[in-house]
Amino acid sequence: AQSVTQLGSHVSVSEGALVLLRCNYSSSVPPYLFWYVQYPNQGLQLLLKYTSAATLVKGINGFEAEFKKSETSFHLTKPSAHMSDAAEYFCAVSLSGNTPLVFGKGTRLSVIA
Amino acid sequence: DAGVIQSPRHEVTEMGQEVTLRCKPISGHDYLFWYRQTMMRGLELLIYFNNNVPIDDSGMPEDRFSAKMPNASFSTLKIQPSEPRDSAVYFCASSPEYRWDRQSTGELFFGEGSRLTVL
Repeated sequence: AQSVTQLGSHVSVSEGALVLLRCNYSSSVPPYLFWYVQYPNQGLQLLLKYTSAATLVKGINGFEAEFKKSETSFHLTKPSAHMSDAAEYFCAVSLSGNTPLVFGKGTRLSVIA
Repeated sequence: DAGVIQSPRHEVTEMGQEVTLRCKPISGHDYLFWYRQTMMRGLELLIYFNNNVPIDDSGMPEDRFSAKMPNASFSTLKIQPSEPRDSAVYFCASSPEYRWDRQSTGELFFGEGSRLTVL
């Protein structure tokens, strides 16, 4: 069965520092991968998605993620954290183009001034 | 444009009571999803509809849970009777299509959620 594992339920970074949120997937075939963000008291919104085109995917708010098949990873990065990036981030996978998204348990990002 | 609208935002009830959560999807979206979010299990898909028809309800925990979509602009998730372990945030999401490949516009648009506490 497809699944994603997000390493670290809570990550804390200083403002201006690199953000790295880790996601590993388990799938026997190249999956479709997504990052969603949930700001406090809001629903989830799409940050970016990988759909077998370029392995480096750029999303909104300066975030990007790189698909690495050899490592079965899809880590989310941002060069410089901003206070407004504080939120919960979810990695999600779909085995094919039309199967339900399976979400990871989320990583809460805190940004310290 | 209005997003996905859920009500109530917060609900506190006692064990054994009936709970009804409501959702209005984005107009024109053919797919509607109900998710449940808990600390222990994360975000779980409960059920989804296509053109008001339930397609997959395998995620519904048990018979106490039921979901309906009487028309394209309204859906309900009902729990009867409620139990403390049902305490969670319930999200409704809609999507214009059920495809996630690069040619599609498939994307889940989430409401703000309904936080349920069962005492």
